[in-house]
Amino acid sequence: DVKVTQSSRYLVKRTGEKVFLECVQDMDHENMFWYRQDPGLGLRLIYFSYDVKMKEKGDIPEGYSVSREKKERFSLILESASTNQTSMYLCASSTNTGELFFGEGSRLTVL
Amino acid sequence: GDSVTQMEGPVTLSEEAFLTINCTYTATGYPSLFWYVQYPGEGLQLLLKATKADDKGSNKGFEATYRKETTSFHLEKGSVQVSDSAVYFCALSDVLKGAQKLVFGQGTRLTINP
Repeated sequence: DVKVTQSSRYLVKRTGEKVFLECVQDMDHENMFWYRQDPGLGLRLIYFSYDVKMKEKGDIPEGYSVSREKKERFSLILESASTNQTSMYLCASSTNTGELFFGEGSRLTVL
Repeated sequence: GDSVTQMEGPVTLSEEAFLTINCTYTATGYPSLFWYVQYPGEGLQLLLKATKADDKGSNKGFEATYRKETTSFHLEKGSVQVSDSAVYFCALSDVLKGAQKLVFGQGTRLTINP
């Protein structure tokens, strides 16, 4: 089975802190994604990557950056966390068939 | 751009009731369509998919038919169980930079009472 592992299930950070969310997949997938999930808004794409060291902006990239140094690992970075970035963050990976495999999510609270 | 609209929730039903969750989409081209389910405390997992018009996806008693003429992909189940309580997301695929990314609807929370 495909496994997508997110490093932290729950985080609490303060405004202005730098936050790293890590994601690792074990199926050699080319594509990796970061979404945020908010009630009533569904999932919105922040960034995605279709190859090592490649990244593309999604629909809501402002305030975020990403890093993909190795194929299996895709990191989401909040350079200076703000309260409006309190959310559930979901990492996913896929081949080019379209099906995404998701991690369990990281719930971030920014105080 | 491409978009997905789901029926508003939450939806509450009794066990063994018939379920329909409506999903319509707007897209250029011919996307694949998906239903994902998120059980409490978990990430999303694929429930079913359809890749072309008139295809029917099915899994765990759930079904959805890709209707190109009505741009719809409604989720149905004939007899729901308490264990079906979850949030359901409809999604379509969109190709960007050679990668297939998914565009999601807002989700529909389903609660099944015994």
